[in-house]
Amino acid sequence: NAGVTQTPKFQVLKTGQSMTLQCAQDMNHEYMSWYRQDPGMGLRLIHYSVGAGITDQGEVPNGYNVSRSTTEDFPLRLLSAAPSQTSVYFCASSKTGTGAYEQYFGPGTRLTVT
Amino acid sequence: QKEVEQDPGPLSVPEGAIVSLNCTYSNSAFQYFMWYRQYSRKGPELLMYTYSSGNKEDGRFTAQVDKSSKYISLFIRDSQPSDSATYLCAMSVNTGNQFYFGTGTSLTVIP
Repeated sequence: NAGVTQTPKFQVLKTGQSMTLQCAQDMNHEYMSWYRQDPGMGLRLIHYSVGAGITDQGEVPNGYNVSRSTTEDFPLRLLSAAPSQTSVYFCASSKTGTGAYEQYFGPGTRLTVT
Repeated sequence: QKEVEQDPGPLSVPEGAIVSLNCTYSNSAFQYFMWYRQYSRKGPELLMYTYSSGNKEDGRFTAQVDKSSKYISLFIRDSQPSDSATYLCAMSVNTGNQFYFGTGTSLTVIP
């Protein structure tokens, strides 16, 4: 099993550009989520999904879109990049119900917006 | 007020010391309490999990939850240089809900 994979590992964008961060998991997990990690702010939830076709907003959803068409994939779209979106982005997945407390994280995408 | 508060440190201890890491929270509905460990430039990985109040021990690690004080702790006994990492607490109301993370405490264990 590859676990949770994220691409790209690094990305530099100019203000106003759009892009999609990819996330995939091969553990058949229902729950998937996106976090951003900033110094002094910890991990903050952007969006999450409890299954294909179901998504919901987290703590900091503005400027980001998600969709969940399959169990395996949960892409995060930046609509119009801003310097405030410079961060490290982590995708995570877990079971729902019993065992949902164990989230498996991907290796992260380091995004810089200039 | 943030849902979860955690002292960011940094914390530096000699090898073999006992380490105490703590978080406080404001939402009394939290029932699931987790500790994650994150090495530099890696994703977090689950270290300990506790449901509701009480203690849980796993090798050199002990997690404590005091719901009356809204306070959780992670103790590391006989700390090793390999324990050097950032430790994040996390909480949720139920297993299908949002997880709230602390800011993380950076720990360095000096040989």
